[in-house]
Amino acid sequence: RKEVEQDPGPFNVPEGATVAFNCTYSNSASQSFFWYRQDCRKEPKLLMSVYSSGNEDGRFTAQLNRASQYISLLIRDSKLSDSATYLCVVTRGNAGNMLTFGGGTRLMVKP
Amino acid sequence: GAVVSQHPSRVICKSGTSVKIECRSLDFQATTMFWYRQFPKQSLMLMATSNEGSKATYEQGVEKDKFLINHASLTLSTLTVTSAHPEDSSFYICSAKFAGYNGYTFGSGTRLTVV
Repeated sequence: RKEVEQDPGPFNVPEGATVAFNCTYSNSASQSFFWYRQDCRKEPKLLMSVYSSGNEDGRFTAQLNRASQYISLLIRDSKLSDSATYLCVVTRGNAGNMLTFGGGTRLMVKP
Repeated sequence: GAVVSQHPSRVICKSGTSVKIECRSLDFQATTMFWYRQFPKQSLMLMATSNEGSKATYEQGVEKDKFLINHASLTLSTLTVTSAHPEDSSFYICSAKFAGYNGYTFGSGTRLTVV
């Protein structure tokens, strides 16, 4: 079983749609959680951190369920520029500084 | 914000040669640098963790004699791919955690093609 699992997609959605991505992680000792965005042939860039209380940044909402070891990302009012691969990232258990990346979910927003 | 500068961005080399990739932290001191590799349509896989002034820690399955890591200063870490082969062709990315910043800063990546 992979440490961090994501549906690879692609998710093809029209502009303005709401889309949700899910992620599960296997290490219950993981402490920090992130969503990163990666454009083709570019480095990952932090989209947002994820907290148990849930957090929102504009059109993006992230949720963490520690009991289920489940993380979600909701994108509202999709823009063409949201097209990218979204990476679910968790710290590696007790090795606090090391990151484990999910395989990514590809989003394509169409006009 | 914290910036990691990575060079070169793209390199093509012949089989059997060595390639050095540099990552510099521009406005902060990176005591720890992480090196990742990403094959097409796959996720980033941690190769090794380099710590300033000490030996790097390699992930299982990564050959330390093939991927030489040097972290001689608080602002520079290098990865040298020795005796490169076509199967080493990949996207190599470095990353550092900036103190006080809830996240990790990534270099812009190096696309290595071995012919």
